[in-house]
Order: sequence, then C-alpha cells, then structure tokens
Amino acid sequence: GESVGLHLPTLSVQEGDNSIINCAYSNSASDYFIWYKQESGKGPQFIIDIRSNMDKRQGQRVTVLLNKTVKHLSLQIAATQPGDSAVYFCAENIGSNYQLIWGAGTKLIIKP
Amino acid sequence: GAVVSQHPSWVICKSGTSVKIECRSLDFQATTMFWYRQFPKQSLMLMATSNEGSKATYEQGVEKDKFLINHASLTLSTLTVTSAHPEDSSFYICSASATGAYNSPLHFGNGTRLTVT
Repeated sequence: GESVGLHLPTLSVQEGDNSIINCAYSNSASDYFIWYKQESGKGPQFIIDIRSNMDKRQGQRVTVLLNKTVKHLSLQIAATQPGDSAVYFCAENIGSNYQLIWGAGTKLIIKP
Repeated sequence: GAVVSQHPSWVICKSGTSVKIECRSLDFQATTMFWYRQFPKQSLMLMATSNEGSKATYEQGVEKDKFLINHASLTLSTLTVTSAHPEDSSFYICSASATGAYNSPLHFGNGTRLTVT
C-alpha cells in the first residue's frame, strides 16, 4: 500500500555537525510534504514544508530537499544543537484533503 | 500564531469510566480538526476527522461509539473515551489547519496522556 518510510530509525550526530534525515515515499501523486519535530511527551511541531513543484526549501537552519525522480525527501539541520534532539517525522499529503501519511519517525540523538 | 491547546495534558482514570479531552484553536477558527493516537515509539495514527456542525468521520477500525467526538464550535473539538479500559491507554493528539488549505501545515496540540487503571 501507500506509505512514507524512513531509512534510519535512529541517527546519532555530534553537536555542531549537520544532520540529514531521510524519508522515502511511494505515491508519485503526492504533492505536499511536511517535516515535524516531536519532543518527548509533546505534540508534533511543524518545521518546514515543501510542495511538489519545488526541489528545495530553506528555513532557519533547516533545509528540505525533494527528489521526485526517486521519491525521496530529506531534512537537513545545520549546526545541530542539543535542542534538536527529538523524533522527526515526515508526512505526505495525497489528494485535496487533510489526510497525512506519516513516516515511522527518526530519533535524532545529539552527542556532546 | 496558529496555536492549538489541548486539555488535560495527562489523566489517570479507572477502568469503566469516561474521559473527555478538549482541543481548542486559540487564535484561529478551524472547521476541521483531527484526532490522532500514538503508541510509544510509533508514528501517529489518525483516528477521526472532526467537522464543525456535523458528524465526525472515523477511520477504519476506530469505534465511533467508544471515541465520541463533538465539534460544537469553530474553536473547540472534544474527544470522549467512553467506558475506558487499560488498552485505551495512549497518547492522544489533536490538530487543526489554520488556513483551511490542504497544502498547509497542520498545527498540533501537546497531546493528552491517558492512563487507564
């Protein structure tokens, strides 16, 4: 069935280094993608989104890349900080409703 | 902006009792809100879509009589877990869109940790 999956369940990164979290999606008709950050015991927090007519979008210390050819989405976090420790979810939207298909999540661990 | 408030943040109840969880959009109106359930170390699972002024739409496998949803105003949706049992223990999260457009982010509440003893 349709799914959004992640390659790595856990990612350990040295503080100050860049982090790259990857996500694969299977529905070529998906046209909207979102990254969320979820800290322990809290709800998901919106980080950045991208529409299918774009390949790249930048925010503050974050960049999302979309490769529609291989159906791949990535989140890059520059100069990773301890506060970036969380689980990161990618989600895709299929169609013209609010139904989001969620990835399994990647736990980002920051090493001091 | 686009703040979603959820209350309570945690609740412990005895088996057989009912629990109501509130979800409020504080600075925007939401004709549609969403209720999710999340088990430890897992992704979010959509339970139902709450529509203001009409019946909620439940996902397959979600018992509508057990998880009662009421969306009485443009800023408030409630989820009532009726006759709760230990297997209902979970993290419940609501969300809403501030723009009403499908290609805009959903904003989430901080969740409610339900523990049924």
